[in-house]
Amino acid sequence: EVVLTQSPVTLSLSPGDRATLSCRASQSVTSYLAWYQQRPGQAPRLLIYDASNRAAGTPARFSGSGSGTDFTLTISSLEPEDFAVYYCQQRSNWPRTFGQGTKVEI
Amino acid sequence: EIQLVDSGGGLVKPGGSLRLSCSASDFALRHYSVNWVRQAPGKGLEWVSSISSTGSYIYYADSVKGRFIISRDNAGGLVHLQMNSLSIEDSAVYYCARVAVSGPVGFFDLWGRGTLVSVSS
Repeated sequence: EVVLTQSPVTLSLSPGDRATLSCRASQSVTSYLAWYQQRPGQAPRLLIYDASNRAAGTPARFSGSGSGTDFTLTISSLEPEDFAVYYCQQRSNWPRTFGQGTKVEI
Repeated sequence: EIQLVDSGGGLVKPGGSLRLSCSASDFALRHYSVNWVRQAPGKGLEWVSSISSTGSYIYYADSVKGRFIISRDNAGGLVHLQMNSLSIEDSAVYYCARVAVSGPVGFFDLWGRGTLVSVSS
């Protein structure tokens, strides 16, 4: 099983700040990694797929990078609606796995 | 509006069974693989099971293997998750999620709102 480890667990920032979230895989997932955003009381929403491609409707302030085992999600300037929990997920191997999440809080 | 609707959750005693269903609005679910993902209260996301569009390929997380059965009725536009021998650790919101066939291929591009399963005596 591919274990995804996200860091930090919590990120305390202010609107307008830059956020950098990390996801590390226990083995290579090539570029088969996605990022999801989950706001309180809502279902997750796909933001980034194949490590660096923005999904439909994802604002340009979100960007993803990385390949192999190390991945980063960057939010260039935080908007109030960006304060949420972010999960990475791999589709390289079965079982599909998620990271434990990073909470971006004010 | 294109959406997934997950249903069937409820309160069940340990050792009991429950069947969840996932249906689609404004698109044909039969063309897509569907997965179930769960989230225990205050916890992260856990992948549970996957079924391909034809039902030929099925996968389970080790935590549910042998207890849960995923199936689909393409004529009726439904995907089911039969959950047996439920334990307290299975208590969670269960989401059905569609696997994209274009663009973000292989990833979950559409999610249901979730259905709550509570296992308690």
